[in-house]
Amino acid sequence: GENVEQHPSTLSVQEGDSAVIKCTYSDSASNYFPWYKQELGKGPQLIIDIRSNVGEKKDQRIAVTLNKTAKHFSLHITETQPEDSAVYFCAGGYNKLIFGAGTRLAVHP
Amino acid sequence: NAGVTQTPKFRILKIGQSMTLQCAQDMNHNYMYWYRQDPGMGLKLIYYSVGAGITDKGEVPNGYNVSRSTTEDFPLRLELAAPSQTSVYFCASSSPGLEAANEKLFFGSGTQLSVL
Repeated sequence: GENVEQHPSTLSVQEGDSAVIKCTYSDSASNYFPWYKQELGKGPQLIIDIRSNVGEKKDQRIAVTLNKTAKHFSLHITETQPEDSAVYFCAGGYNKLIFGAGTRLAVHP
Repeated sequence: NAGVTQTPKFRILKIGQSMTLQCAQDMNHNYMYWYRQDPGMGLKLIYYSVGAGITDKGEVPNGYNVSRSTTEDFPLRLELAAPSQTSVYFCASSSPGLEAANEKLFFGSGTQLSVL
């Protein structure tokens, strides 16, 4: 069946470093790839998304890259700050989104 | 706008009990969804609705029922609660764009349910 795998499951960085989270998907028909951030006790919130006709998208300190041939996409956070600490979910799909298992990011001052 | 509002925030059920998780949105979104979140498992789609009077099964619908009588409300019903339904439940809504029906989901703050 359709699957989205996400790595790593946990990531610890020092403030100011970069963080990279990677996802792979199985369904070649997938055309939409959002990233959600979930803070403790809250619902996930969309932070950036990319479509299959675009290879890269950037919004201030966050960027997403997509490699359709290899069926993988990545989230890049530069100059990390303590408030970036959260669980991040990737997702992919066509009409229905399949979510990855999540990455718990800890940014240490 | 309040966005997506879920009630209750926490609930403990005994095996075999029933309950309804409430979800309401004030953004006039046509699409609404119910997800469950288990530790280390991401979000799994239970049911979704593309408009009032229309519902459809997601990945894990067994043991649940939904209804969509209005655009604003999308309640999730558990008829005979089982320990396997212990989870955090999230309701979400979206207003689909031209290219995808699953764009820009807005999530509620969740309901933590324990079945003992």
